Amino acid sequence: DAGVIQSPRHEVTEMGQEVTLRCKPISGHNSLFWYRQTMMRGLELLIYFNNNVPIDDSGMPEDRFSAKMPNASFSTLKIQPSEPRDSAVYFCASTQHGGGAGKLFFGSGTQLSVL
Amino acid sequence: GQQVMQIPQYQHVQEGEDFTTYCNSSTTLSNIQWYKQRPGGHPVFLIQLVKSGEVKKQKRLTFQFGEAKKNSSLHITATQTTDVGTYFCAGQKGGKLIFGQGTELSVKP
Repeated sequence: DAGVIQSPRHEVTEMGQEVTLRCKPISGHNSLFWYRQTMMRGLELLIYFNNNVPIDDSGMPEDRFSAKMPNASFSTLKIQPSEPRDSAVYFCASTQHGGGAGKLFFGSGTQLSVL
Repeated sequence: GQQVMQIPQYQHVQEGEDFTTYCNSSTTLSNIQWYKQRPGGHPVFLIQLVKSGEVKKQKRLTFQFGEAKKNSSLHITATQTTDVGTYFCAGQKGGKLIFGQGTELSVKP
């Protein structure tokens, strides 16, 4: 199994630009999570999906952030417009147990730098 | 909201010394998981504890879940340079997995 695949690995953009992060979960996993990691705030849960349906988006910082999961094998996290404080590593993770009861498999992350 | 607190934030040890990190939740947890993240890497699952008072061992690592299911610890015996990284606990309540701030372990050879 290829594991959770995220793209791009690195993204450098200018303030105000739209950023789209992509994630392909492990085949057969029915829950997908987006986390953001910074030195100051650690690993923050942004949103998670069960069976492609967003269950809890209370961690999404503000309306500039949106996430979709159009099918079981693909999810996006979009930031529009981006700001320097959005700079962080964004991780996608999946698990085969609904509700997050199982262990999470993390992707390699997207290092986002907003200048 | 729910918080998972982890201490210490950093730990520097000499190779061969023991290491312990502690995790506390403000609420009762369904289960607790531990992850390790190597520098520049992503979190990797180590173990899950479900039962009150549960103790599990993986070679030199010992994991405990408190009787009240609100706290947990990870103890590493005789650290090695390969143990370097950040260790995270993650508590589950409902469908959410909330991560502690992590303990960054450095090991001096």
